[in-house]
Parts: sequence; C-alpha cells; structure tokens
Amino acid sequence: EPEVTQTPSHQVTQMGQEVILRCVPISNHLYFYWYRQILGQKVEFLVSFYNNEISEKSEIFDDQFSVERPDGSNFTLKIRSTKLEDSAMYFCASKYAVANDIQYFGAGTRLSVL
Amino acid sequence: SQQGEEDPQALSIQEGENATMNCSYKTSINNLQWYRQNSGRGLVHLILIRSNEREKHSGRLRVTLDTSKKSSSLLITASRAADTASYFCATPSRSSGTYKYIFGTGTRLKVLA
Repeated sequence: EPEVTQTPSHQVTQMGQEVILRCVPISNHLYFYWYRQILGQKVEFLVSFYNNEISEKSEIFDDQFSVERPDGSNFTLKIRSTKLEDSAMYFCASKYAVANDIQYFGAGTRLSVL
Repeated sequence: SQQGEEDPQALSIQEGENATMNCSYKTSINNLQWYRQNSGRGLVHLILIRSNEREKHSGRLRVTLDTSKKSSSLLITASRAADTASYFCATPSRSSGTYKYIFGTGTRLKVLA
C-alpha cells in the first residue's frame, strides 16, 4: 500500500538554526498538508498546499515557516530560525482530491530544539 | 467545542479486557480515521471508516460510526499491554476549503499486565 514517508524521524537542532523537514507524499496525490503536535497536546493543522501554492494556513504558520515542493516528489517544511517552542512532532499528509477524499498521514518527524 | 472529541480522556484496564473509546464530531463527514500514538512517537493508522459504513473490523479492532449521532467508537478486544497508547480520531473539516483534518485530544489507554 502506498504511504507518506517522512525524514528524518528525529531532528535535533540548536535554537536559531534553520531546519527542513522532508516528506514524500503518495505519488499521484495533489494536496499536501503539514500538522504539528506539541508533546501532550492535540495534532494541529499548520498549512495546506496545492498547485504549488499555499491554500490555507493556520495562525501558527507565521513568517518563520515556509513550505515548498521543490522537485515534484518532495514536500518540505522549513523553519527559518527555530525557537524552543517549535519542539514538536510534525506530520505530513497528502490526498488526491480536495473534497471527498482521505488524507494519508506520515509517521512524523520529532523536532527537538535545544 | 472542537470537532473530534474523544472520551474518556483516560482509561485503565486489565490485560484481556475490552477497551471502548468514543469520538464525537460536530459537522457532517464523509470519513473518520482512528490513530494510535505511543508516547512521544508518530501516528499509526488503525482504521478508516467511511460515512456509508456502520461498522468495520480489523483484527482485534472494531469501529462503529453513527452519522445520525455524529459519533464513532473504537473497541479493542482482548487488550494487551502493548495496546497501551493514546488513541485519536480525526475527521475532515468541511468548513475548511482544503478539508484539513481535525484531531481530538485523544484517549490515553493503559493496559495493566
């Protein structure tokens, strides 16, 4: 069964550093998402992406965050200058069509900002 | 209140017993997913149920969906210590143009050996 893959599974970085989290969505999917889960809290929506542009973003997704689909297969989340409070699990998801379709989630990347 | 709320928030049972978790949601949906998450780890997809399905089984898991009550339940039969984890339901938000998923706060299940 096709799956969404995320790398790395765990990323450790120093505060103020830039990080890029990588995701490979399912190959024929058109809609891409990032979610975040701070330890002990709910999984929260960050951003959705379609046709090479952001279609929706939450208030969490500020100017420190950016997303990109650089090569038609990868989907990345960049945090420009990490803060301690960016420490969380980050989940990528993808789906084929917008409305009546199912999102498939990756297993997540744990980001630890020291 | 939030779409996709689970109850109970925490559940502690003995190995071999059944565990039932419930999820309620607010808006109409076309699918609902259940996930498991071990402490500090990623999401493990358990089961997806579509709005035209009432019940679905996968191994020791049984999921029901009642669209008239906007609720779903996850039953784990003959629980094992390895089932200790948090369980979340997730539903697509139709108020969102891109149908982002809304996750509940989860049920923390502890299975005692």
